[in-house]
Amino acid sequence: GESVGLHLPTLSVQEGDNSIINCAYSNSASDYFIWYKQESGKGPQFIIDIRSNMDKRQGQRVTVLLNKTVKHLSLQIAATQPGDSAVYFCAENRGGKLIFGQGTELSVKP
Amino acid sequence: EPEVTQTPSHQVTQMGQEVILRCVPISNHLYFYWYRQILGQKVEFLVSFYNNEISEKSEIFDDQFSVERPDGSNFTLKIRSTKLEDSAMYFCASSGIAGASTETQYFGPGTRLLVL
Repeated sequence: GESVGLHLPTLSVQEGDNSIINCAYSNSASDYFIWYKQESGKGPQFIIDIRSNMDKRQGQRVTVLLNKTVKHLSLQIAATQPGDSAVYFCAENRGGKLIFGQGTELSVKP
Repeated sequence: EPEVTQTPSHQVTQMGQEVILRCVPISNHLYFYWYRQILGQKVEFLVSFYNNEISEKSEIFDDQFSVERPDGSNFTLKIRSTKLEDSAMYFCASSGIAGASTETQYFGPGTRLLVL
């Protein structure tokens, strides 16, 4: 069936470096994507979203890129900090139902 | 900043018992959701709720599950007869007024359910 998936289960970066977390989706009709951060023992926390009429959106230290041609989106975190260590999920909003990917665990080395 | 709250944070129950998980969504939100996350796995949609009725439910949300908005602030998930495989984190979420497919969903901290 159609799904939302992530390329890598884990990512380790040095503090201060930029992080890039990738996500692929299969439904070409998908039009609303969200990135969530989940710290251990907590609920998913909204980071940033993007709709299909855009290919880039920026927040505070985060940027989401959407490539509809190859059905790929990425989350870029600038100047990664220890507090960014968490599992990051991309999710697709399908008519109100969120379909989550598997998650990428980001570890930040001091 | 408004947030979704959930109680209890942890619940241990015996197989076959009924449990009720409680949520207080963000106060001006109109759409409510339950998701679950089995340990080490991804978050899975269970059910969405709007205008006092279920909008959509997943295959997981069988007859053992029910949801209710008993008053103007609470949103509950009931599991009538718990099974071992119901052990998971259960997250409540809510979203605003523009429509479920266009609004950001905000999640609560979750209830960790352990069925023995």
